[in-house]
Amino acid sequence: ETVMTQSPATLSVSPGETATLSCRASQSVGSNLAWFQQKPGQAPRLLMHASSTRATGVPARFSGSGSGTEFTLTISSLQSEDFAVYYCQQYDNWPPLTFGQGTKVEIK
Amino acid sequence: EVNLVESGGGLVQPGRSLRLSCAASGFTFGDYAMHWVRQVPGKGLEWVSGISWDSGDIVYADSVRGRFTLSADNARNCLYLQMDSLRPEDTALYYCVKDKGWDIATFDTWGQGTLVTVSS
Repeated sequence: ETVMTQSPATLSVSPGETATLSCRASQSVGSNLAWFQQKPGQAPRLLMHASSTRATGVPARFSGSGSGTEFTLTISSLQSEDFAVYYCQQYDNWPPLTFGQGTKVEIK
Repeated sequence: EVNLVESGGGLVQPGRSLRLSCAASGFTFGDYAMHWVRQVPGKGLEWVSGISWDSGDIVYADSVRGRFTLSADNARNCLYLQMDSLRPEDTALYYCVKDKGWDIATFDTWGQGTLVTVSS
């Protein structure tokens, strides 16, 4: 099983600043990495797939990078609606498909 | 617009069974892989099971293999999860999720979930 580890667990950021979220895989997943955003009481939403391809409707302030075992989600100029929990997920080595434990981005 | 509506959740005793359904609309159901993903309230996401577009690949998490059965009815645009021998640790919100493509990969669109509670 490919274990996904996200850091930090919680990120405190002021509106307008940049948030950098990390995701590490226990073995290479190539570029088969997705990011999801989940707000309280809502289902997750796909933000990014293939490591760096934004899903439909996702603002350009969201960017993804990385390959192999190290990945980053960057949120530039944080807006109020960006405060949420973010999950990474690998789809290279399955079953199982695996998620990271999540990073909560909170208002500083 | 893609829409996924789950049903069938509820309170069930340990060892009993439950069948979840997911009604899909707004896309050609038979062209996409589909999944169930669960989440204990306040906790992280756990993939449960997935099925490829032609039902050629049906895969499960170790935690449910042998107890849960995933199936799809392309004529009815429905996804099903038969859950047998339920355990308290199966308690979670179960999401029906559409894949991005025809093969098993990542999760494009999510339903709102149906809550399963396993308790005596």
